[in-house]
Amino acid sequence: GQNIDQPTEMTATEGAIVQINCTYQTSGFNGLFWYQQHAGEAPTFLSYNVLDGLEEKGRFSSFLSRSKGYSYLLLKELQMKDSASYLCAVNTGGFKTIFGAGTRLFVKA
Amino acid sequence: GAGVSQSPSNKVTEKGKDVELRCDPISGHTALYWYRQSLGQGLEFLIYFQGNSAPDKSGLPSDRFSAERTGGSVSTLTIQRTQQEDSAVYLCASSSQLAVSYNEQFFGPGTRLTVL
Repeated sequence: GQNIDQPTEMTATEGAIVQINCTYQTSGFNGLFWYQQHAGEAPTFLSYNVLDGLEEKGRFSSFLSRSKGYSYLLLKELQMKDSASYLCAVNTGGFKTIFGAGTRLFVKA
Repeated sequence: GAGVSQSPSNKVTEKGKDVELRCDPISGHTALYWYRQSLGQGLEFLIYFQGNSAPDKSGLPSDRFSAERTGGSVSTLTIQRTQQEDSAVYLCASSSQLAVSYNEQFFGPGTRLTVL
């Protein structure tokens, strides 16, 4: 079966750091994506990991451990505009991609 | 166009009617995806196309759902005899074949379907 787990909601303070975890159990693995989705809008791409390790892109970083079936998205220097849902997604082979239910992040002042 | 477009943006229909949802992908993108998102939920995979063929239709909820893609471009998702549980936002995305595994998806704005 295919299973991607993320926390449902998280709350953090403006200027702080937050880590959103994702664990997956899939029949195949060809890479892991993180997408950001603001309320009422379409998802937009944030990051891609296919090898173990940390990928850094500005305030956002994403980590992958394939042996543990684990990834996290790290957001630094949180801003109010970072309030959104963060979707973990796994390419299970070819072009097929399975999405997690998403983590809704609330950033408070 | 510059991005993925979908039409209509909103569709209200009566239970039992058929609906057609359209997706125009980014020009040159070989892969096209359909997802369904219920309020406050994640994305439910429905189907994806590689060119005009659909290697994986396993996500289609029932035989009332079908999709086609012609000319490697526009795709239509058809729902026959709509039911209230079909109410959701239907998202389309496309990606280019830069690599076997890397398929960053570009999403359209979605079609919000309401079945009364």
